[in-house]
Amino acid sequence: QVQLQESGPGLVKPSETLSLTCTVSGGSIGDHYWSWSRQPPGKKLEFIAYIHNSGDTNYNPSLKSRVTISLDTSKGQFSLRLSSVTAADTAIYYCARLTKAMTVPFIYHYFDLWGRGTLVTVSS
Amino acid sequence: DIVMTQSPLSLPVSPGESASISCRSSQSLLRSNGYNYLDWYVQKPGKSPQPLIYLGSIRASGVPDRFSGSGSGTDFTLKISRVEAADVGLYYCMQAEQAPRTFGQGTKVEIK
Repeated sequence: QVQLQESGPGLVKPSETLSLTCTVSGGSIGDHYWSWSRQPPGKKLEFIAYIHNSGDTNYNPSLKSRVTISLDTSKGQFSLRLSSVTAADTAIYYCARLTKAMTVPFIYHYFDLWGRGTLVTVSS
Repeated sequence: DIVMTQSPLSLPVSPGESASISCRSSQSLLRSNGYNYLDWYVQKPGKSPQPLIYLGSIRASGVPDRFSGSGSGTDFTLKISRVEAADVGLYYCMQAEQAPRTFGQGTKVEIK
């Protein structure tokens, strides 16, 4: 079965760039959207961005100026870069797949597969 | 952004009983196609989040019919019938009507 696994540094210094990778195992990138979300301690889950292998991307406007999402289909990976981090970026970061609903006559995507999440702490 | 508000935040339930979680949105999630752009997800202890319901009431693949989603516009409910110990976890609603997608704060379901 398809699984997602986040990887990257657990500790990042303020003002530096946070870089995370999500590896897709047991399947291919295919015709799905791939996304990142995060959950700061004690706060709500927050959508960050998604990408499709067609090049289609979507970013949360609140983070757009600092976020880059990319896809490497040959490696079966997608990545997140978040620049100029502060303590407010401390969170559990999740990668997830968005899949197309097949039960309705219009296009709708929902999160059907998530990684376990990885804690990233921003601290000097 | 659309604000999603869940209640209660903690829900102790006895096995075999029913549990209901409320989710309210700050704007209507109902589109002209007649569907509500709302999903429900659960994160069980030590596991990744997984989908339960999408478009307000459609069960995701493999989800037992003990789980049902209802509601329209701004008020939604997730009902768990005949609660089992395996249902323990954090339940989230999420709107997909307007970018960016936003989540509720989560409801912790636990067994009494």
